Amino acid sequence: AQSVTQLDSHVSVSEGTPVLLRCNYSSSYSPSLFWYVQHPNKGLQLLLKYTSAATLVKGINGFEAEFKKSETSFHLTKPSAHMSDAAEYFCVVRHTGTASKLTFGTGTRLQVTL
Amino acid sequence: EPEVTQTPSHQVTQMGQEVILRCVPISNHLYFYWYRQILGQKVEFLVSFYNNEISEKSEIFDDQFSVERPDGSNFTLKIRSTKLEDSAMYFCASSDRASDNSPLHFGNGTRLTVT
Repeated sequence: AQSVTQLDSHVSVSEGTPVLLRCNYSSSYSPSLFWYVQHPNKGLQLLLKYTSAATLVKGINGFEAEFKKSETSFHLTKPSAHMSDAAEYFCVVRHTGTASKLTFGTGTRLQVTL
Repeated sequence: EPEVTQTPSHQVTQMGQEVILRCVPISNHLYFYWYRQILGQKVEFLVSFYNNEISEKSEIFDDQFSVERPDGSNFTLKIRSTKLEDSAMYFCASSDRASDNSPLHFGNGTRLTVT
């Protein structure tokens, strides 16, 4: 069964410093992986997706993630945090063989301080 | 950019009452989904819907739940007799294809509070 583990429930960074949100996945096959962001009182917005085309995936708002099969990781990074990046971030895996079912991680709350 | 819209944003109901949560998926999308997030817990899959029928459902989606596409634009989730534990944020989503390259687009959610 596919699953994802987000290693940090809460990350705090200063504005202008790098962001690293960690995600490890478990999957029997080559997975489809996503990062979604949820701002307060907003829906889930797709940041980026990995579907085996390229291991380094660039998303919106300057975020990117690297798929590392050897480490079963899909960490989300951004070189320089902005105050508007403060939100909840979810690592998500899509189940192979079905378009339906996404499994969400527990989420990482990113706090950005001045 | 087209988006998924959900109404209402917040619904309060008494235990045992029926509720209908409404969603308007992106217009050219064919696959529709409901997910929910109980406060402090993970976002969980409830059901997927394609070609006017349920294609997959989770163990959460019992006989108290039903989905419907009553016309060409709306997609609804009905809870027949709400329980306290149904209190959650319910997210509707849609996608245009059933492929790994096609991500789900989510609405802003309906917060359901059962008292």
